[in-house]
Amino acid sequence: EAGVVQSPRYKIIEKKQPVAFWCNPISGHNTLYWYRQNLGQGPELLIRYENEEAVDDSQLPKDRFSAERLKGVDSTLKIQPAELGDSAVYLCASRLSLAFRDPAPYEQYFGPGTRLTVT
Amino acid sequence: GQQVMQIPQYQHVQEGEDFTTYCNSSTTLSNIQWYKQRPGGHPVFLIQLVKSGEVKKQKRLTFQFGEAKKNSSLHITATQTTDVGTYFCAGSGSNYKLTFGKGTLLTVNP
Repeated sequence: EAGVVQSPRYKIIEKKQPVAFWCNPISGHNTLYWYRQNLGQGPELLIRYENEEAVDDSQLPKDRFSAERLKGVDSTLKIQPAELGDSAVYLCASRLSLAFRDPAPYEQYFGPGTRLTVT
Repeated sequence: GQQVMQIPQYQHVQEGEDFTTYCNSSTTLSNIQWYKQRPGGHPVFLIQLVKSGEVKKQKRLTFQFGEAKKNSSLHITATQTTDVGTYFCAGSGSNYKLTFGKGTLLTVNP
């Protein structure tokens, strides 16, 4: 079984440029998460999707960040424009919900992440 | 908001020594998860604890959830070089949002 796929693995951009990250979750996983992990820190949740619906985006900086999960499968996270402080690893994770909109945090499967460097 | 604190931040041991990392929450948790992240890798799920006072073992790893469901610990017996990495606890409260601690980086000297 393939794991969570993310691309690109690395991205270097200049500040004020746009950037997008792509995630394909494990087949059949209806819950998808985007996390940001700064150096020496734990992952911080940006957004959670249940199928195609964003059910928790309270920590997503909406002035510059946007996300979508069309058709409830793969997802894209975008930053426009990027700032120096956005340099981090962006992790995607997925899990299988056992019930409709089940918020319980069962085991999450993380992708390899995208390491973003903003210069 | 909910805060999850982990200590120590770093731990260096000789191979064969034991290792323990502690996790404390500012609020009562509904459950707690533990993840391991190898250097350059991504977090990998180890275990989830749900019940007050719960103890679970995985080979040399022992996980505990406090009676008050506000703290947890991970203990590794007789560390090996393969245990190297950062161990994160992640707790969720009534809103089920998972909050990660900053992790404990374990290094093992062979």
